[in-house]
Amino acid sequence: DIQMTQSPSSLSASVGDRVTITCQASQDISNCLNWYQQKPGKAPKLLIYDASNLETGVPSRFSGSGSGTDFTFTISSLQPEDIATYYCQQDDNLPYTFGPGTKVDIK
Amino acid sequence: QVQLVESGGGVVQPGGSLRLSCAASGFTFSTYAMHWVRQAPGKGLEWVAVISYEGSNKYYADSAKGRFTISRDNSKNTLYLQMNSLRAEDTAVYYCAKGKTYATLDGMDVWGQGTTVTVSS
Repeated sequence: DIQMTQSPSSLSASVGDRVTITCQASQDISNCLNWYQQKPGKAPKLLIYDASNLETGVPSRFSGSGSGTDFTFTISSLQPEDIATYYCQQDDNLPYTFGPGTKVDIK
Repeated sequence: QVQLVESGGGVVQPGGSLRLSCAASGFTFSTYAMHWVRQAPGKGLEWVAVISYEGSNKYYADSAKGRFTISRDNSKNTLYLQMNSLRAEDTAVYYCAKGKTYATLDGMDVWGQGTTVTVSS
């Protein structure tokens, strides 16, 4: 199975800050990497698919990059409504594994 | 709009069985793969199973193999997860989710609101 790691596991930032989360796969997954946002008590929501494509309706302050084994997720200007846990997930090989998540809150 | 509504969760004793359902609407259900993903209390997301759009291909996480069965009824726009020999570690919120791409086995885009399964004596 492909193992996914994320860092940091949590972060605290101020409104307007640039926030960056990294995700690493245990083997080459090309661009088969998705990013999901999960707010407390809610279902996950797809933000970025295929490493860098913004899902329809998602604000442009969210972006993703990377390929192979190393990926980055960025919030260009953190907003109060972005408080959530963010997960990366690979869909290159079954089982489709998730990273452990990064919890983002406001300082 | 795409909507997925899970049902069938509840409290069950260890060793018991439960069948979850996921009613889909707002898209052509028969042309997308469908997934089950679960989340134990306070934990991260764990992919459980996927079924291809026509139902001929099914894949499971090791934790589900031999105990869970994913199926679908395209005439009823409904996805199922039959769970047998349930264990305490199966306690979780179970989400159904739609595949991202037409007629392709890949990750998920839209998720349901989840149904809670509690395995306890």
